[in-house]
Amino acid sequence: DIQMTQSPSSPSASVGDRVTITCRASQSISTYLNWYQLKPGTAPNLLIYAASSLQSGVPSRFSGSGSGTDFTLTISSLQPEDFATYYCQQSYSPPHTFGQGTKLQI
Amino acid sequence: QVQLQESGPGLMKPSETLSLTCTVSGGSVSSGGYYWSWIRQPPRKGLEWIGYIYSTGSTNYNPSLKSRVTISLDTSKNQFSLKLSSVSAADTAVYYCARYRTRAVEAFDIWGQGTMVTVSS
Repeated sequence: DIQMTQSPSSPSASVGDRVTITCRASQSISTYLNWYQLKPGTAPNLLIYAASSLQSGVPSRFSGSGSGTDFTLTISSLQPEDFATYYCQQSYSPPHTFGQGTKLQI
Repeated sequence: QVQLQESGPGLMKPSETLSLTCTVSGGSVSSGGYYWSWIRQPPRKGLEWIGYIYSTGSTNYNPSLKSRVTISLDTSKNQFSLKLSSVSAADTAVYYCARYRTRAVEAFDIWGQGTMVTVSS
């Protein structure tokens, strides 16, 4: 299985901050990397697919980059509704695997 | 737009078989280009992909659960289902159904809200 490692795990941040979350794959996955946002009691939300493509309806303050084994999710100016947990996921080959999550908290 | 909704028992006993159903609205499970998926999240842990099924009935399961998992499709009801046999406390989790979109996206683009399943004697 391809292992996905995220960092940091639970950073503190403030409204207006620029936040970067990193994800590393245990082998090259080209750009088969997606990012999701999870909030308790709500359906998870796809933010970024194929490493850098913004999903329809997602605010432009979210962006993704990377290829091979190293990827980043950037939130350019943190908004109150962005305090959530973020997961990366590889779609290079099944079993589809996720990172351990990054919980953004105030 | 397409929406997914999970349903099933909230509480189970060890050794029982978990059965969950996902009802799809605003779209068809018979449509090509999508895999209908199950994903779970145990308390205080990360997400785990369980498996998925294509409109043709072809399935792919996580090897870690393969011996206990069956995913099936009911096109007449526009639903797909998960069966997980011989459950234990380790299977306590929020279970999500999700649509995996192929054709240039290759991601879980639509999810249900999730349903909590607790296994306890």
